[in-house]
Amino acid sequence: SQTIHQWPATLVQPVGSPLSLECTVEGTSNPNLYWYRQAAGRGLQLLFYSVGIGQISSEVPQNLSASRPQDRQFILSSKKLLLSDSGFYLCASGQQETQYFGPGTRLLVL
Amino acid sequence: KQEVTQIPAALSVPEGENLVLNCSFTDSAIYNLQWFRQDPGKGLTSLLLIQSSQREQTSGRLNASLDKSSGRSTLYIAASQPGDSATYLCAVSDSGGSNYKLTFGKGTLLTVNP
Repeated sequence: SQTIHQWPATLVQPVGSPLSLECTVEGTSNPNLYWYRQAAGRGLQLLFYSVGIGQISSEVPQNLSASRPQDRQFILSSKKLLLSDSGFYLCASGQQETQYFGPGTRLLVL
Repeated sequence: KQEVTQIPAALSVPEGENLVLNCSFTDSAIYNLQWFRQDPGKGLTSLLLIQSSQREQTSGRLNASLDKSSGRSTLYIAASQPGDSATYLCAVSDSGGSNYKLTFGKGTLLTVNP
């Protein structure tokens, strides 16, 4: 089975600062990759997905962006964080309909 | 736009009790439905996946059913244990494409008391 690594595990950032969250995958090749956000009181929301290197689809308008520089690397970025960006960010890797989730990064924007 | 609703939002039961978690979705044109478990501050673990052509799936003490036409699924947990305490999430994948995007409900927080 696949193993999903995410770092950092926890991050506290001031409003207006940049962000870079990294996700790497082991145990598979050419997976679909996904970034989700789980905010307090809300369900898990799909932010971005990628079906291949350099191919990124955005699900919701926001000040975040995603990149996939390598087959098993997925990066979530922001140039200037907002308070509303606080939440629990989960990376997932999928082969067909099965998705495997990473341990998540908890982001607090102050 | 697909919407997934889970009822109840929270459930507390004594150990040993059988229980049912409910999930409903607005668009019946789904590819499959999955139930996940999430422990506090952790990622998600897939429990059961039901294809749109299937009616149910079983794994150990867990049984998930799917009524696609009515837009409903249930997760049945038999003989609950304190270790079952977690948030249970229902997610549907819409038909078509190769991206297998999931739409999640907000989850049911289950507490099993010893």
